[in-house]
Amino acid sequence: GDSVTQMEGPVTLSEEAFLTINCTYTATGYPSLFWYVQYPGEGLQLLLKATKADDKGSNKGFEATYRKETTSFHLEKGSVQVSDSAVYFCALIPNSGYALNFGKGTSLLVTP
Amino acid sequence: GAGVSQSPRYKVAKRGQDVALRCDPISGHVSLFWYQQALGQGPEFLTYFQNEAQLDKSGLPSDRFFAERPEGSVSTLKIQRTQQEDSAVYLCASSLAIKAGPRNTIYFGEGSWLTVV
Repeated sequence: GDSVTQMEGPVTLSEEAFLTINCTYTATGYPSLFWYVQYPGEGLQLLLKATKADDKGSNKGFEATYRKETTSFHLEKGSVQVSDSAVYFCALIPNSGYALNFGKGTSLLVTP
Repeated sequence: GAGVSQSPRYKVAKRGQDVALRCDPISGHVSLFWYQQALGQGPEFLTYFQNEAQLDKSGLPSDRFFAERPEGSVSTLKIQRTQQEDSAVYLCASSLAIKAGPRNTIYFGEGSWLTVV
């Protein structure tokens, strides 16, 4: 079935470092791809999404590009802040589906 | 309300006890989802409603799990005879679309943390 694989954490970075969290997917056709973020003690929030190949989703300085050729949707940010410390989930909805399929999550800790 | 609201936020149940978890979706949202998130894992799909119709319950782990949305708004997830492996965060989510699909944003509640002792 359709699934998402993301890099295991935890990831620890210093403030202002460059962030990459890898995400690859397995799916039939063209799924929609998402990054959700879960801050400590809070619910899941949509960070960004892309619905077709070569689309770039962006929000709050984060970006991810839908790469069909490599079945990837890696999350990047040029300069992380302490407030970015959270768990990040890559997810997809199959082309003919309606429910999100999540990866296991990647914990990010940014230190001052 | 402004967002998806879930209650209780925290529940400790003795093994064998029945529990009921409530979800108030965003007003007007017709699609509603329940997910289970074990510690350190990603959310796993449990069930999906479109208005009051439960269109997909393929993710419910056993017949001890039951969900309903009788009037197409508030939903309840019920777990009978709870077991330790039921300990998890139960997330409710809703979407505006009549037929949820990949181009529609799904909004999540903060979850109900269930611990079975």
